[in-house]
Amino acid sequence: NAGVTQTPKFQVLKTGQSMTLQCAQDMNHEYMSWYRQDPGMGLRLIHYSVGAGITDQGEVPNGYNVSRSTTEDFPLRLLSAAPSQTSVYFCASRRDGSYEQYFGPGTRLTVT
Amino acid sequence: KQEVTQIPAALSVPEGENLVLNCSFTDSAIYNLQWFRQDPGKGLTSLLLIQSSQREQTSGRLNASLDKSSGRSTLYIAASQPGDSATYLCAVRTNTNAGKSTFGDGTTLTVKP
Repeated sequence: NAGVTQTPKFQVLKTGQSMTLQCAQDMNHEYMSWYRQDPGMGLRLIHYSVGAGITDQGEVPNGYNVSRSTTEDFPLRLLSAAPSQTSVYFCASRRDGSYEQYFGPGTRLTVT
Repeated sequence: KQEVTQIPAALSVPEGENLVLNCSFTDSAIYNLQWFRQDPGKGLTSLLLIQSSQREQTSGRLNASLDKSSGRSTLYIAASQPGDSATYLCAVRTNTNAGKSTFGDGTTLTVKP
């Protein structure tokens, strides 16, 4: 198993640009989530999904969209990038009923 | 709202020393607590998970304890090694349906040879 994969590893955007961060898992996990990690703020939940076709907002959803058309993929879209979205983004997954989360390697995003 | 605090933010110890990392949380009605390790520029690796009904979990040189009533968890690392150098984060889950976790900022551990 590849586990949880994320692409790209690094990205630089200009303010106002849009992009999609990709996340995929091959463990057939029902639950997937997106976090951002910022110094002094820990990891904060952006959006999550409990299964294909079902998504919900986390703690800091503004400026981000998600969709879950398949069990494997959970892309995160930045609609109009802002410098405040400079962060490291992590995707995680777990099996429904299990409480151990598996994390991807992260995407380091800089918005100038 | 659940808040998770990890003190100290950084810790430096000589190789071979036993050490304790602390995690405190404000809402004691937790479902579980998970300790992670994060290496620089990498994702999070799960170390130990303690369910709310458990008092401790052990894996090799690691032992995690949980005291819900006082809102504390500790991660004990025995006979530390330079390879243990990393940032250690704890995450607390209080909502079983949505599975949302609240993370601490982490403690960055440096083990000197």
